[in-house]
Amino acid sequence: DAGVIQSPRHEVTEMGQEVTLRCKPISGHDYLFWYRQTMMRGLELLIYFNNNVPIDDSGMPEDRFSAKMPNASFSTLKIQPSEPRDSAVYFCASSLAPAKNIQYFGAGTRLSVL
Amino acid sequence: TQLLEQSPQFLSIQEGENLTVYCNSSSVFSSLQWYRQEPGEGPVLLVTVVTGGEVKKLKRLTFQFGDARKDSSLHITAAQPGDTGLYLCAGGNTGKLIFGQGTTLQVKP
Repeated sequence: DAGVIQSPRHEVTEMGQEVTLRCKPISGHDYLFWYRQTMMRGLELLIYFNNNVPIDDSGMPEDRFSAKMPNASFSTLKIQPSEPRDSAVYFCASSLAPAKNIQYFGAGTRLSVL
Repeated sequence: TQLLEQSPQFLSIQEGENLTVYCNSSSVFSSLQWYRQEPGEGPVLLVTVVTGGEVKKLKRLTFQFGDARKDSSLHITAAQPGDTGLYLCAGGNTGKLIFGQGTTLQVKP
């Protein structure tokens, strides 16, 4: 299996622009997680899905952030409008129930908002 | 709020030395994972421990889960430059993982 695939690997945008991050989980995995990693706050869970349904979005910082999972093989994290404080590395991870705590991470998207 | 505190935050040692990284919480976790992350990559799972007092070994790495399932340690024997990276502990309960802040390890040749 190719593992969790994220795109793009790097994104540089200007404040106010819309940003869309993409994730393809490992085939057959039924949990998908979006994380954000910064030096100050470490790795934080933003939202996770089970069988394409959002289960917990309490980590989403504000209404500017939204996530969707239209099917089992694709998810997006959108920021609109983006702000400089959104600059971070965003990771997607997937796992397979019942071992849902064993998560496999993608390589991440490094986002820079100027 | 569940929190995991890792110590030390930074560690720089010479090749061949031993080291221990600690992961502590006031909360009980059903499982605890250790991940290693290298620059430009995502965290990679090293081990999962689920039973209080459990000890697992992975070559030169020894992982222990506390008896009360609130803390864990990672011990590396005879560290190698290839062990350099960010080590993260993560506790799980309800499908969510809570991550510690991480320990950045640098092993100098």
